[in-house]
Amino acid sequence: DSGVTQTPKHLITATGQRVTLRCSPRSGDLSVYWYQQSLDQGLQFLIQYYNGEERAKGNILERFSAQQFPDLHSELNLSSLELGDSALYFCASSVGLRTDTQYFGPGTRLTVL
Amino acid sequence: GQQVMQIPQYQHVQEGEDFTTYCNSSTTLSNIQWYKQRPGGHPVFLIQLVKSGEVKKQKRLTFQFGEAKKNSSLHITATQTTDVGTYFCAGGNYQLIWGAGTKLIIKP
Repeated sequence: DSGVTQTPKHLITATGQRVTLRCSPRSGDLSVYWYQQSLDQGLQFLIQYYNGEERAKGNILERFSAQQFPDLHSELNLSSLELGDSALYFCASSVGLRTDTQYFGPGTRLTVL
Repeated sequence: GQQVMQIPQYQHVQEGEDFTTYCNSSTTLSNIQWYKQRPGGHPVFLIQLVKSGEVKKQKRLTFQFGEAKKNSSLHITATQTTDVGTYFCAGGNYQLIWGAGTKLIIKP
């Protein structure tokens, strides 16, 4: 158990819909990262927040947005969903800003039908 | 931008054979980390290397960081079924850049 929690574990929805994925970091961690992993693919970095502020952006689509709240939990919002958005979405957390060790949550499996 | 290249993408081995995955960066890395993702699981941190030429061992796993701090390798001796999964390297200076991963598959 990494100490990072993600909800929900599974999500099935239809094209065009909007969903919100939630992540709670490990106690004491200020950074939260979001990754997308399509079937048998690598980890695609989406976005990083540190202490409530956006710090780094990867290949995140404009249809996707995220935020980190004062209690440090984070939400990833995916809108106008397409079939290709079906993937595992991982949240990770770390203590600091840069190249600290990242601790991953169990992931949310999103299926878009 | 900075990239971390990892090869091979897949490696099929007989149980008991060795396995190696390599990571290369075009620029010097402040550190390199290795993670393992079991099938159906999430990436789990294995180790971090910081010093030039550093070698660390964890039982049958040997991790190396190159002298120029631009490359790294993970070697598993005498693979077991518990080693199955995808091994990722991640390195960088201002943020972690992830390799594409190497999937270790044990031949039946």
